[in-house]
Amino acid sequence: AQSVTQPDIHITVSEGASLELRCNYSYGATPYLFWYVQSPGQGLQLLLKYFSGDTLVQGIKGFEAEFKRSQSSFNLRKPSVHWSDAAEYFCAVYKPEYGNKLVFGAGTILRVKS
Amino acid sequence: EPEVTQTPSHQVTQMGQEVILRCVPISNHLYFYWYRQILGQKVEFLVSFYNNEISEKSEIFDDQFSVERPDGSNFTLKIRSTKLEDSAMYFCASSELEVETQYFGPGTRLLVL
Repeated sequence: AQSVTQPDIHITVSEGASLELRCNYSYGATPYLFWYVQSPGQGLQLLLKYFSGDTLVQGIKGFEAEFKRSQSSFNLRKPSVHWSDAAEYFCAVYKPEYGNKLVFGAGTILRVKS
Repeated sequence: EPEVTQTPSHQVTQMGQEVILRCVPISNHLYFYWYRQILGQKVEFLVSFYNNEISEKSEIFDDQFSVERPDGSNFTLKIRSTKLEDSAMYFCASSELEVETQYFGPGTRLLVL
């Protein structure tokens, strides 16, 4: 069955440290890939997306993600985390053949310690 | 920057009551969606809507649920005879095209007592 896996439920990093959040998907071919962020009490904000082309995509707030076809992964990175980055991060996948809908991972809660 | 808005932000209701959750999608968007997130669980797709009809729905979206675009701006989700397990955050989203980024509203937190 098609699925999106975010293996880390919680991650804690120090402010200023680098960050990588993992996302793997199980679809037959490359789907459309997204990262959303949800701050406490807020909605889902789009960070970045990959549809095609350059496999390294830049997003808002200094985030980037790299699509690796061979690993079916779309990991989110940030070189230097700020305290305001503390939030829950969701990887999501869209594959038209499986319906006009996003399929979300379980989310990774990021805690930033000072 | 245009955004999706949702009202109310919070709703408390008694089991068995009907609730209507409202959304105003981004004005030039053609595709509308509802998702829900039960506390501690994944965000789940409920329904997509295009050209004044449901284009797809999940198995969660049974006869208890309905959607409507009553005018040119609003998009509503009606839940009839609410159950305790309907307690969740409900997100509305819209996209300009079918294969395009979905933009989400801030959500309505529904609590069924």
